[in-house]
Amino acid sequence: DGGITQSPKYLFRKEGQNVTLSCEQNLNHDAMYWYRQDPGQGLRLIYYSQIVNDFQKGDIAEGYSVSREKKESFPLTVTSAQKNPTAFYLCASAPGGLNTEAFFGQGTRLTVV
Amino acid sequence: AQSVAQPEDQVNVAEGNPLTVKCTYSVSGNPYLFWYVQYPNRGLQFLLKYITGDNLVKGSYGFEAEFNKSQTSFHLKKPSALVSDSALYFCAVRDGGGATNKLIFGTGTLLAVQP
Repeated sequence: DGGITQSPKYLFRKEGQNVTLSCEQNLNHDAMYWYRQDPGQGLRLIYYSQIVNDFQKGDIAEGYSVSREKKESFPLTVTSAQKNPTAFYLCASAPGGLNTEAFFGQGTRLTVV
Repeated sequence: AQSVAQPEDQVNVAEGNPLTVKCTYSVSGNPYLFWYVQYPNRGLQFLLKYITGDNLVKGSYGFEAEFNKSQTSFHLKKPSALVSDSALYFCAVRDGGGATNKLIFGTGTLLAVQP
C-alpha cells in the first residue's frame, strides 16, 4: 500500500530526554512536513522540506530538529529544549507543486511523564 | 507572510440543514487553498482544493467550497448535513507569491451535526 507511516502511535518521554518521531512515505513525494496539534491551536508548522538534504524552519521550530537524508524519510527529534512537548504530532507529504494536496500520517501522541 | 483564519471554533447544525464553515486567508500572491477533515485521534483527510478557474469547487462526500477573491474567503459548504459529517475541519493555504511550498493551516472548526 502506498502511504505515509508515522511511528510510534504513542510515545512517552521523561523530562530532559530527547526523542525521535519517525515519518516514512512511499509516495515518491518531494515535500514533507511536520506539524504540532494542540487543542484550540490547530496545526502549527514545525519544519518542512521541499527536497532531499534541504529543510526550513516553520513557525515553531525551537526545541525541534529534523533531517532529510532520504526522500522517503523525515524524522523529527524533540529535544530537551522543547519546554512543553506534550502534543499530537502529524507528518505530511506532498508531490511538491504549489497546487498539490498534502497526505497525512495517522499521528504520534507524545506525552512527557 | 501567509496566514489563514477560521473565525468559528464550533458550528452547530441540524441534520438535513445546509452547513457553512468559514475560512479567510492572506497571501502575497495567488492563493492555493485546501480543506481537510479530521476525525478523533486520526490524521487529516483531504476534501477539496482551489487552484484556479471556477470559484465553486466540488470535493469529497458532497462538500463544496466557494472562492471569493475580493473577500479573501474560501468557505466550505454542504447543502444537507449528515450526523456523520461531525468532525474537525481545517482550511489551509499556500502562497503562490512565495518562494517555498510552505503549507499553513487554520485553527480548525468543530462541526457538530445534531440528529
